[in-house]
Amino acid sequence: GESVGLHLPTLSVQEGDNSIINCAYSNSASDYFIWYKQESGKGPQFIIDIRSNMDKRQGQRVTVLLNKTVKHLSLQIAATQPGDSAVYFCAENQGGYQKVTFGIGTKLQVIP
Amino acid sequence: NAGVTQTPKFQVLKTGQSMTLQCAQDMNHEYMSWYRQDPGMGLRLIHYSVGAGITDQGEVPNGYNVSRSTTEDFPLRLLSAAPSQTSVYFCASSNTDVSEAFFGQGTRLTVV
Repeated sequence: GESVGLHLPTLSVQEGDNSIINCAYSNSASDYFIWYKQESGKGPQFIIDIRSNMDKRQGQRVTVLLNKTVKHLSLQIAATQPGDSAVYFCAENQGGYQKVTFGIGTKLQVIP
Repeated sequence: NAGVTQTPKFQVLKTGQSMTLQCAQDMNHEYMSWYRQDPGMGLRLIHYSVGAGITDQGEVPNGYNVSRSTTEDFPLRLLSAAPSQTSVYFCASSNTDVSEAFFGQGTRLTVV
């Protein structure tokens, strides 16, 4: 399944399936992007980042795709596990603290 | 490795009271920041610091003060609490202003 936008939708996936979480960023000048995971009652935790000179980056079970043409960022989680249940949000950075914009996030629910 | 430590975790204040939210990091990061997180909104920057003795305002600085006397500590002071300051506050640190941020566990503040 997949989710679109910067609102806080809920994405429900079966354990073991792949998850795709999308983010439409706002500024074409943004050159650095980060995905964070936030579990209930905890602070955001870095997952993966990508710079604007790349269109794909892979980590452990996660892949970030960047499409600058349509200002779209996605996070793919392979073989989703119950521990992946959290809110995921993207951040775009145009260079400096003052120019970082955080998305609202998508809540991922993993169904055992 | 403690990372970023925030205290207290929960706080209830009466309107007009003042208090200080503490934040300490042990990663020797030059950059530190304070955010507030409200329902339906992305993280918003309150104040940030690029090194000891240097602070600057973010997007929503009114009603808050900061200081940075050491690399490790970055306290946030509420001068006269208002109900509009009810929120979850996160402190973060990073190596640069264009790199991933490490967040504390948050302080849930309620102003009545």
